[in-house]
Amino acid sequence: QITLKESGPTLVKPTQTLTLTCTFSGFSLTTGGVGVGWIRQPPGKALEWLAIIYSNDDKRYSPSLRSRLTITKDTSKNQVVLTMTNMDPVDTATYYCAHRMVAQLVLPFNYWGQGTLVTVSS
Amino acid sequence: EIVLTQSPGTLSLSPGERATLSCRASQSVTTNYLAWYQQKPGQAPRLLIYGASSRATGIPDRFSGSGSGTDFTLTISRLEPEDFAAYYCQQYDSSPLTFGGGTKVEIK
Repeated sequence: QITLKESGPTLVKPTQTLTLTCTFSGFSLTTGGVGVGWIRQPPGKALEWLAIIYSNDDKRYSPSLRSRLTITKDTSKNQVVLTMTNMDPVDTATYYCAHRMVAQLVLPFNYWGQGTLVTVSS
Repeated sequence: EIVLTQSPGTLSLSPGERATLSCRASQSVTTNYLAWYQQKPGQAPRLLIYGASSRATGIPDRFSGSGSGTDFTLTISRLEPEDFAAYYCQQYDSSPLTFGGGTKVEIK
């Protein structure tokens, strides 16, 4: 059974750096073709993909946010960490992590965490 | 970057009716790597359709996906009360991964 759960601060101040952790179970990021991505959703708005890291350590970022994002993995802890610098109130959103596969079967995000709401305010 | 445009923004229908949701891509999704998600308020998105037309595990057969190239459709054959929600398409053909703006299916 695959599960993912996001953790991190619920409130950050403008200009601060946000660090979010996705802790997962039921799969390993040492298995070929597995990826964990981050997606966010401002209140009442659409989903926006942010970044993804794969088991081969390939990393991809949203072009519009690339300069502010870093994604890393800790396979021993079954965790993926996303950092976003220079936070702004427009970054207020629910942040989700999600699992995908790019192996024999190429899948989109088929398992999602419950999401964590991050508010940016002074 | 492939931009996905969903229409309509809101669809007002009654239970039992047929829902047809559109997702148009700014360039061809050559591999048909197009997905549909359902999202209810306060919940994470749930994968419904992948590969444009394959239902994910446990998804009822009243949900079907079709299309290729730049035009894709999600059809709900007969709306059940639990189907009133927001729906998003996503392409995973190329990076950056992109989502559409969503269609809300509401009770008429």
